[in-house]
Amino acid sequence: EDKVVQSPLSLVVHEGDTVTLNCSYEVTNFRSLLWYKQEKKAPTFLFMLTSSGIEKKSGRLSSILDKKELFSILNITATQTGDSAIYLCAVDFIQGAQKLVFGQGTRLTINP
Amino acid sequence: NAGVTQTPKFRILKIGQSMTLQCTQDMNHNYMYWYRQDPGMGLKLIYYSVGAGITDKGEVPNGYNVSRSTTEDFPLRLELAAPSQTSVYFCASTLSGARSSYEQYFGPGTRLTVT
Repeated sequence: EDKVVQSPLSLVVHEGDTVTLNCSYEVTNFRSLLWYKQEKKAPTFLFMLTSSGIEKKSGRLSSILDKKELFSILNITATQTGDSAIYLCAVDFIQGAQKLVFGQGTRLTINP
Repeated sequence: NAGVTQTPKFRILKIGQSMTLQCTQDMNHNYMYWYRQDPGMGLKLIYYSVGAGITDKGEVPNGYNVSRSTTEDFPLRLELAAPSQTSVYFCASTLSGARSSYEQYFGPGTRLTVT
């Protein structure tokens, strides 16, 4: 069965800290891995990773994929209270239509 | 563009009632999806559609039905509501091909409570 596991499930840090969120997966015929940020409502897209070892970066957020070890990390540097959210990892696998398998999410809380 | 819109935002149903959750997108996306998100959990795929007239089951389809008569609309029907269907429902869409991945755009969600 295809599976995506995120860790930690919950994380509380102080503003200015750096955090690393983990996502491991077991899927056959991997196609891509996506990160989403979910605040109060709908998930919003952060990154899509398809190739191993190539870092995607957007401001203070960055992510990298290791296809050999089957995991990805999402880093956030100099955290701000606005980074507080649930971060979701999802994997798309090759089977025709794009269908995402989501992890449970990591609830990140940034305290001032 | 409004993106993906969902109605209603909130709904309380009694056990055994039925309802339809509406989803519309104006981005001319061919793929559309329905997910549910239970508290503290990720999203689980209920049904999806790769184009008008074509639908298929996802991971948790029992108790739900869908139709896709147009590119824009993808309603989700709950028949005989049960407390286990209490959840937040998200509709999503993407312009996707069978060989590529694209980001999915999500609607604002419908919070459904069945009592």
